[in-house]
Amino acid sequence: TQLLKQSPQFLSIQEGENLTVYCNSSSVFSSLQWYRQEPGEGPVLLVTVVTGGEVKKLKRLTFQFGDARKDSSLHITAAQPGDTGLYLCAGARGSNYQLIWGAGTKLIIKP
Amino acid sequence: DTAVSQTPKYLVTQMGNDKSIKCEQNLGHDTMYWYKQDSKKFLKIMFSYNNKELIINETVPNRFSPKSPDKAHLNLHINSLELGDSAVYFCASSAPPTGMDTGELFFGEGSRLTVL
Repeated sequence: TQLLKQSPQFLSIQEGENLTVYCNSSSVFSSLQWYRQEPGEGPVLLVTVVTGGEVKKLKRLTFQFGDARKDSSLHITAAQPGDTGLYLCAGARGSNYQLIWGAGTKLIIKP
Repeated sequence: DTAVSQTPKYLVTQMGNDKSIKCEQNLGHDTMYWYKQDSKKFLKIMFSYNNKELIINETVPNRFSPKSPDKAHLNLHINSLELGDSAVYFCASSAPPTGMDTGELFFGEGSRLTVL
C-alpha cells in the first residue's frame, strides 16, 4: 500500500513549458518535504511545508500544502533543462516524525 | 567539505559474499539513516539511529546489520549477498525536529551495489 502517491511518474516536456507534480495521500502529515535528486547523487531538500494551505516559492518553483495537510503540489513555471531530475515528496507523521516517501516523478526538460 | 560521505561509491561482488558500506557525517547531527533505492527509484528506509541507538528498524532481512560506533558514523554490513540486494544504498543524517518541522535530511552520494 502506497501511503503517498506521486503523479505523474514520468514527465518529459519542452523548455519553457509549465508543469505540476502532485503528491496525494489519505493520511494527514505534520509536514511535507520536497527533494530533487540528480543522477549519481543523493536527494537534496528543496522545501518543507508545515501549515495547511501554505504556499512557498523558490524562484520558478511554487510549492503548496493542502488545507487538510494530506496533499501537496509542486508547480514549475517556464521549465529549464536544469530542472531535470527526480522529484520526491516525503511526508512526516508519527511521534518520531518518520518520513513516508512518494515513489518520485522523473522530470526531463528538453532544450 | 563533504557533509555526508559514504564509501565505496561502487561495489560489484558475487552472490554469497559479505560486504560493508561506511558512512560518516560532519554535520554534528544526532540521527543517521540507511535507505535503499531500487531500480524504480523508490526510496525505502532501512534503519535509523539516534545517538548510536537504533530507533527505526524496518522489515529488512537480518543479513543486514547496521553498526554505529559513534554518532558521526553509521556503517552497513551485509552478509550472504543476494541478487535482489542490488540497489543504491544511501546514508543520510538529520538534526532533531523543531516543532512540526521534521528537519532536513542530508544524503550522501549513494553506494551502488551490484550483486552478480
